[in-house]
Amino acid sequence: NAGVTQTPKFQVLKTGQSMTLQCAQDMNHEYMSWYRQDPGMGLRLIHYSVGAGITDQGEVPNGYNVSRSTTEDFPLRLLSAAPSQTSVYFCASSYSGRSGTEAFFGQGTRLTVV
Amino acid sequence: EDQVTQSPEALRLQEGESSSLNCSYTVSGLRGLFWYRQDPGKGPEFLFTLYSAGEEKEKERLKATLTKKESFLHITAPKPEDSATYLCAVQADEYTGNQFYFGTGTSLTVIP
Repeated sequence: NAGVTQTPKFQVLKTGQSMTLQCAQDMNHEYMSWYRQDPGMGLRLIHYSVGAGITDQGEVPNGYNVSRSTTEDFPLRLLSAAPSQTSVYFCASSYSGRSGTEAFFGQGTRLTVV
Repeated sequence: EDQVTQSPEALRLQEGESSSLNCSYTVSGLRGLFWYRQDPGKGPEFLFTLYSAGEEKEKERLKATLTKKESFLHITAPKPEDSATYLCAVQADEYTGNQFYFGTGTSLTVIP
């Protein structure tokens, strides 16, 4: 089982460059989300989606765009990279069923903006 | 004001020395409290979900409990392979969608 797959694992960008972090899940989950993890701050929600065609902002959305054209994919776009976006990014997918809620995370993308 | 607070920030235990990690929360309308384990360079790995006060769940050397204001992750006779960062997260009525709000984690080191 692949679960949640993120690419790339590592990336270095120059200030002002744009790029897309890829996230794909094979569990047919409706809910997907992007978090960033910074030292001492925990995981913070950037954007989330409750299904194909539906996205919304989380706690720290500025400088990021998302789209959800399929259930499987939820890419995160950095429009114009800034050093403050240096972080580790995690994609997650989750479901809520009769047995409760579970969320599964990808392995992360470590991004450095110079 | 932090809605999820974990303590201690770091914990060093001798192998076999049992202890507890704390997660306190101030959200209203708790829908679920989640524990994750995170190894260096990896994504969080799901451990438990607790839904109501008094609930307990166990997995190997780990036992999670929940009250109306906090959760404890008890580690019994830990081994070096239990070394990791343990994250606590909540879902609540005050959040839209299926959002999780995370604490900053407890870094556990178990010394052989």
